Amino acid sequence: EIVLTQSPGTLSLSPGERVTLSCRASQSVSSSFLAWYQQKPGQAPRLLIYAASSRATGIPDRFSGSGSGTDFTLTISRLEPEDFAVYYCQQYGSSQGYTFGQGTKLEIK
Amino acid sequence: QVQLVQSGAEVKKPGASVKISCKASGYTFTAYYMHWLRQAPGQGLEWMGIFYPSGGSPRYAQKFQGRVTMTRDTSTSTVYMELGGLRSEDTAVYYCARERDSTLYFDYWGQGTLVTVSS
Repeated sequence: EIVLTQSPGTLSLSPGERVTLSCRASQSVSSSFLAWYQQKPGQAPRLLIYAASSRATGIPDRFSGSGSGTDFTLTISRLEPEDFAVYYCQQYGSSQGYTFGQGTKLEIK
Repeated sequence: QVQLVQSGAEVKKPGASVKISCKASGYTFTAYYMHWLRQAPGQGLEWMGIFYPSGGSPRYAQKFQGRVTMTRDTSTSTVYMELGGLRSEDTAVYYCARERDSTLYFDYWGQGTLVTVSS
């Protein structure tokens, strides 16, 4: 079973800063199977990135994804106030189905 | 526009069952897979299973096999998820989410349904 580990657990940053979130898989994951979501309090998750690096419809270009194998990253080039949220990576494995990392919380410094 | 509208919050006693609905609109219902996921309070996301509105057997996560049933009503473009044998650990927000044709990610989500299991 593939386990996704996100780091750090919490990040305290200021608007305007650049941030890179990490998602590490316990085994190699196909890039086609890796997605990122943003979740704000009381809301459903929102798809940001699919296939490791493709932005979903309507997602600003300050969000970018990259990586391959076991290491994937989500970068926000300049944090906007509305970007402070929890971010999850997600992968698909044929044996266990769809699994998520434990999340990284971005909070305002 | 695509919408997934879920039924309202539920309070259930341990051992009971809950059935949640997810009504789809704004797209061809049978052209997309539907998933159910849940999120316990303050916790991460957990996948429960996938349902194929066009037909075919649903696939349930091993953890929920024997307790979960997913069904549909094509006439109303609604998918249902029933979870039985409820225990306190099943207290969570339950989400339906759409997947387009084996793309392996969820592009639209319902608003969530809070299920509280308490004696």
